[in-house]
Amino acid sequence: DTAVSQTPKYLVTQMGNDKSIKCEQNLGHDTMYWYKQDSKKFLKIMFSYNNKELIINETVPNRFSPKSPDKAHLNLHINSLELGDSAVYFCASSLMAGSYNEQFFGPGTRLTVL
Amino acid sequence: KNEVEQSPQNLTAQEGEFITINCSYSVGISALHWLQQHPGGGIVSLFMLSSGKKKHGRLIATINIQEKHSSLHITASHPRDSAVYICAAPSEKLTFGTGTRLTIIP
Repeated sequence: DTAVSQTPKYLVTQMGNDKSIKCEQNLGHDTMYWYKQDSKKFLKIMFSYNNKELIINETVPNRFSPKSPDKAHLNLHINSLELGDSAVYFCASSLMAGSYNEQFFGPGTRLTVL
Repeated sequence: KNEVEQSPQNLTAQEGEFITINCSYSVGISALHWLQQHPGGGIVSLFMLSSGKKKHGRLIATINIQEKHSSLHITASHPRDSAVYICAAPSEKLTFGTGTRLTIIP
C-alpha cells in the first residue's frame, strides 16, 4: 500500500496553462506539506496544512494555491504556469504539525513547463 | 548562505569503504533529520536524532547539538547506497541542506 501518493508523476505543459497536482496519504496523519525541488536538487517548503488548515505559507507566488478538502488530501493548483515553475514537487505528511516529526514523502511530480 | 551546510557535495568511493557525510547548521535546533533521495527521485526519512548516536543497519548518525554538527556514516558501503543524502534542521519549518551525492563503485 502506498503511504503518500501523488498524481501525476510527470506533467509537461505549455507556459500560461493552469494545472493541478494531487496528493493523498493513507497514514492517518494530521499534517501535509508541499515542497519544491529545483534543478540544483535543493528542497524548499512551500505550504503546510494541519487538519485542513494552512499553517505554513512560504513566499511563493499567489499563482500557487493549495487546497485541502480533508486531512488525507492536499492538492496544489498552479495558474498561469511559467518556465521557472519547472521543478519536482514533493508532497509529504507527518503525524502532527511541527518539523520535529518524521515526514513521509510522496514519489514526486516532475513538472516541465515549455 | 544556507543555514544548513553539508560536505562534501559529491563523494565517490569504492564498495566496502567507510563513508562519512557531514552537516553543520546555524539555526538553533534540538534535533536533526537525515533523508535519502534515491536515483529514481524518491525521498526516505532515515533518522531523526536529538542527541548522541542512532544506528540502523549499516547507517549510523551522530549529533552534537552544542557544536551544531551531525554526521552520517555508512559502514561496508555498497553500490545500492548510491543516493543523495540530505540533512534537514527543524525549526518553524524544515530547512534542508544542499545534499551530498554519494556514488559507490563496485
